[in-house]
Amino acid sequence: GAGVSQSPSNKVTEKGKDVELRCDPISGHTALYWYRQSLGQGLEFLIYFQGNSAPDKSGLPSDRFSAERTGGSVSTLTIQRTQQEDSAVYLCASSPGTSGSGRWDEQYFGPGTRLTVT
Amino acid sequence: TQLLEQSPQFLSIQEGENLTVYCNSSSVFSSLQWYRQEPGEGPVLLVTVVTGGEVKKLKRLTFQFGDARKDSSLHITAAQPGDTGLYLCAGAKGPGGSYIPTFGRGTSLIVHP
Repeated sequence: GAGVSQSPSNKVTEKGKDVELRCDPISGHTALYWYRQSLGQGLEFLIYFQGNSAPDKSGLPSDRFSAERTGGSVSTLTIQRTQQEDSAVYLCASSPGTSGSGRWDEQYFGPGTRLTVT
Repeated sequence: TQLLEQSPQFLSIQEGENLTVYCNSSSVFSSLQWYRQEPGEGPVLLVTVVTGGEVKKLKRLTFQFGDARKDSSLHITAAQPGDTGLYLCAGAKGPGGSYIPTFGRGTSLIVHP
């Protein structure tokens, strides 16, 4: 079946511009996570959605970052007024979640969006 | 505070050698996952361990969960160039804790032919 998809795969933007990154999770997965990965580094948690519950935004680094998940499926991560330190690979993952079929703790990642802020 | 410490951070070995990667924490986890990430791709789940002392084998890869469910190891026998990648461990707590897994910083493995 289809895995997690992300778009665009690469995004180059000028400092100060806004960007939107999209994630299409695996159908039926109720949980969705966004992470940021800098070159050669581990994963930095950004935000977590579970079903219709309020998202856990505790990992968002500043108020320039926001995310939505519409209809419990597609998610968009928005970065306003981008800065050079925002340059990284943004990864989305989905999991069956606490109400889906399968283990809630097993995550399926998309290929990521590489964001470069010039 | 990094809750999951992975070691070594980097490993460069020749084809055919054995290696072990460690994932340590002072916290107890309900489960632990290992992922492998290749350049330009997202991490791919390798295994989940749940029970203290559990050992799982995936071809040449052997995963062990510590008795106290605070640590884990990944052993690769006779490494091959195709094993090259970033190995990440992630600890999950779940009900009563958090549904946000904690990731280690990863071990970057290069296997030379």
